[in-house]
Amino acid sequence: GQQVMQIPQYQHVQEGEDFTTYCNSSTTLSNIQWYKQRPGGHPVFLIQLVKSGEVKKQKRLTFQFGEAKKNSSLHITATQTTDVGTYFCAGPGGGSNYKLTFGKGTLLTVNP
Amino acid sequence: DAGVTQSPTHLIKTRGQQVTLRCSPKSGHDTVSWYQQALGQGPQFIFQYYEEEERQRGNFPDRFSGHQFPNYSSELNVNALLLGDSALYLCASSWWSGTGGGSPLHFGNGTRLTVT
Repeated sequence: GQQVMQIPQYQHVQEGEDFTTYCNSSTTLSNIQWYKQRPGGHPVFLIQLVKSGEVKKQKRLTFQFGEAKKNSSLHITATQTTDVGTYFCAGPGGGSNYKLTFGKGTLLTVNP
Repeated sequence: DAGVTQSPTHLIKTRGQQVTLRCSPKSGHDTVSWYQQALGQGPQFIFQYYEEEERQRGNFPDRFSGHQFPNYSSELNVNALLLGDSALYLCASSWWSGTGGGSPLHFGNGTRLTVT
């Protein structure tokens, strides 16, 4: 079945440093979505990428969708303590576009 | 505009018991998906409901069942609880996207189920 893998599993940074998490799918995706889950909270939708090679920015966050539509990345510039949480990528597939398959996530901690 | 609401927030059950979790979708959404999230893991898809029918099911046993009502709210039922069923159960609502794939999900706060 479809697999969505994320690396790294954990990342600890000093406040102000940059952070990048990578997502790879075993199958081509029609789109990819990113979610953020704060400790003790629930996943919150950040963005959806649809086009091959697409790049979208949200303030200090930059999201990329690979040319082959099988990989994606999230880059945070100059991290802040408010960026703490687990970042998940998710893509439809596994024989059906009805469901989203989530990666295991990257837990980001920021030292002030 | 209310978001996704789930009840109860916490639940403690004994092995072998049955549990029902409830979810009201965000206003305007017609599709409800249920996910199980173990500690330190990503959400695992259980099933999705649209037009009161189960549209897709993940790799979960028949002990997991659900229902969607005409007002789009939904229930998740788990029978014969096992210790391994302890997890955060997340309900997510969205617009129906059919085979178009992946309308963004709006999650509720979840129900923390502990099986002892």
